[in-house]
Amino acid sequence: GAGVSQSPSNKVTEKGKDVELRCDPISGHTALYWYRQSLGQGLEFLIYFQGNSAPDKSGLPSDRFSAERTGGSVSTLTIQRTQQEDSAVYLCASRERQAFNQPQHFGDGTRLSIL
Amino acid sequence: AQSVAQPEDQVNVAEGNPLTVKCTYSVSGNPYLFWYVQYPNRGLQFLLKYITGDNLVKGSYGFEAEFNKSQTSFHLKKPSALVSDSALYFCAVPTGTYKYIFGTGTRLKVLA
Repeated sequence: GAGVSQSPSNKVTEKGKDVELRCDPISGHTALYWYRQSLGQGLEFLIYFQGNSAPDKSGLPSDRFSAERTGGSVSTLTIQRTQQEDSAVYLCASRERQAFNQPQHFGDGTRLSIL
Repeated sequence: AQSVAQPEDQVNVAEGNPLTVKCTYSVSGNPYLFWYVQYPNRGLQFLLKYITGDNLVKGSYGFEAEFNKSQTSFHLKKPSALVSDSALYFCAVPTGTYKYIFGTGTRLKVLA
């Protein structure tokens, strides 16, 4: 079946521009996560959605970052006024339900480069 | 607070030899533990998990992991390494009601 889909796969933009990253989770997965990964390093938690609600936005690095999820499905991560330190791979993951014994399913990420 | 540690940044092993990638954990209560693998330019892929039951857990691609409560470890193992196993490996543990903590990752390099 279809996995988690992220678009674009690569994005190069100039400093100061806004970018939108999209995540299409596995159908029926109610939990959705965004992570940031710098240069093949560890994962930094950004935000979690349960349905359309985001009970924890504490991982968002600054107020330039925002995310939404509509219809309990597609999620968009928006970065305004991008900075060079925003360059990273942004990974999205979904999970079947609110159950810790279920693994997360990851997309292949969006590689964001800020010039 | 829950945590995991991967003490080795990189592990090198010759093809055909057994491999071990280490993970130790610190959790309150009974732990749920996960291993994921990340190939270049890909997202993380689930390998295996420990929830309860047998201490030896078998997963995808011939990998297995041994849960050791006394040593608070969950090391990933494979009897015979392949060059194609070269990748970045992460262990993870849930914390709170929805968040996961990932280790810093171990880069496995299998030499032909």
